[in-house]
Amino acid sequence: NAGVTQTPKFRVLKTGQSMTLLCAQDMNHEYMYWYRQDPGMGLRLIHYSVGEGTTAKGEVPDGYNVSRLKKQNFLLGLESAAPSQTSVYFCASSYLRDNEQFFGPGTRLTVL
Amino acid sequence: AQSVAQPEDQVNVAEGNPLTVKCTYSVSGNPYLFWYVQYPNRGLQFLLKYITGDNLVKGSYGFEAEFNKSQTSFHLKKPSALVSDSALYFCAATGTASKLTFGTGTRLQVTL
Repeated sequence: NAGVTQTPKFRVLKTGQSMTLLCAQDMNHEYMYWYRQDPGMGLRLIHYSVGEGTTAKGEVPDGYNVSRLKKQNFLLGLESAAPSQTSVYFCASSYLRDNEQFFGPGTRLTVL
Repeated sequence: AQSVAQPEDQVNVAEGNPLTVKCTYSVSGNPYLFWYVQYPNRGLQFLLKYITGDNLVKGSYGFEAEFNKSQTSFHLKKPSALVSDSALYFCAATGTASKLTFGTGTRLQVTL
């Protein structure tokens, strides 16, 4: 099993550009999450999904959109990137809400 | 709002000595508590969790954590530290019908 995979691993954007981050899991998990990690701030939840076709806002959703068209995939979109979105983005999945989460390797995004 | 506090940014310990990484939490209802570890340029890995039952929880790599309801704490411990334990450790908590909240992380440095 590959677990949770994320593409791309690195990306540099200019302000105003758009991009999509892809997360895939092969564990048949219902729950999927997108976090951002910034120095001194831990992980903050951007959006999450409790099943195929559903999404919900987390702690810091502004400037991001998500979609979960297939159970195994969870996409994070930035419509108009801003320097404040420079961060490391992690995707995670879990079988149930209170089960441990499995994390992907992360995407390092720099917005110039 | 729920919160997780890790009061130490860094913990330094000599190899072979016991280690403790502190965590306190504030959630509504019964807490679900987790510890994760992050090695450089990697995603978070699950170490252990407390849902209910015995206050002393054993996890991966010889780590354990003690749940203390009266002090709302969930400190991570290991009897004998290894240099390879050096990493960033995150405590996380959730309560009734809530999403997981992470602490800001504690860097553990184990030296020879």
